Amino acid sequence: DADVTQTPRNRITKTGKRIMLECSQTKGHDRMYWYRQDPGLGLRLIYYSFDVKDINKGEISDGYSVSRQAQAKFSLSLESAIPNQTALYFCATSAPGRPVETQYFGPGTRLLVL
Amino acid sequence: ILNVEQSPQSLHVQEGDSTNFTCSFPSSNFYALHWYRWETAKSPEALFVMTLNGDEKKKGRISATLNTKEGYSYLYIKGSQPEDSATYLCAFPAYGGATNKLIFGTGTLLAVQP
Repeated sequence: DADVTQTPRNRITKTGKRIMLECSQTKGHDRMYWYRQDPGLGLRLIYYSFDVKDINKGEISDGYSVSRQAQAKFSLSLESAIPNQTALYFCATSAPGRPVETQYFGPGTRLLVL
Repeated sequence: ILNVEQSPQSLHVQEGDSTNFTCSFPSSNFYALHWYRWETAKSPEALFVMTLNGDEKKKGRISATLNTKEGYSYLYIKGSQPEDSATYLCAFPAYGGATNKLIFGTGTLLAVQP
C-alpha cells in the first residue's frame, strides 16, 4: 500500500464550486504539505503544517484553505474554484531529519476547473 | 526570490545512450540539494539529497555530483533504459535554511527510445 495517498486522483468541477482534495499518510510524519504543479513551472507550495495545531501559508495560498484533521490527514479546499486553479496537486509529508529532511509525495490529484 | 533552474527542459535519447542534465541554484547560503524522479501518474520519488561540496552520490546507473561554490549539480544516467523515462526534478531549501520549504526547478523530461 502507498504511504501517501490522495483522493480523488482526478476531478472535474465547475467555476464557483467548492471542492476538497484529501491526503492521508501512514508514514507517521508530523509535517505535511500541499503543492500545485503547472506546466512549465516548478512545484509551488500552497500550505504546510508541522503538526495538527500548526498551519502555515506557502507561496501561493490565495484561494485555498486547509484542514489538518489528524496527524495522518491534511485536506486542501478550494472555496470557490476558478479555471486558473486547474493544475496537478501533490501532497507530501516529512519528518524532521539531520542534516536534511526528505519529503515523500503522493501520486497527485489532477483537477480541471471548467 | 530564489531561483532554481534546470536544463535542458527535455531530452530524447536512444536506449543505451548516457546522458546528463543540470540543476543550477544560488551558491550563497547553501544547505542542501534534492533530486527527485517523477514518472507520469506516479509519486515523485526522492533520488538523492546532497549536502557537501564535491559530493557524489550513486544509485545503480544514476549518479549526481554537487558544486556548491558555483551553484550547480549534474545528474548522470549511464546506459539509459526506457524505464528511466521520467521527469527529473531538483529542489533547493528556501532561503533561511528552512529545509522543509523547498523551491523546485521545472524539471528535465527524459524520454528514452527503445
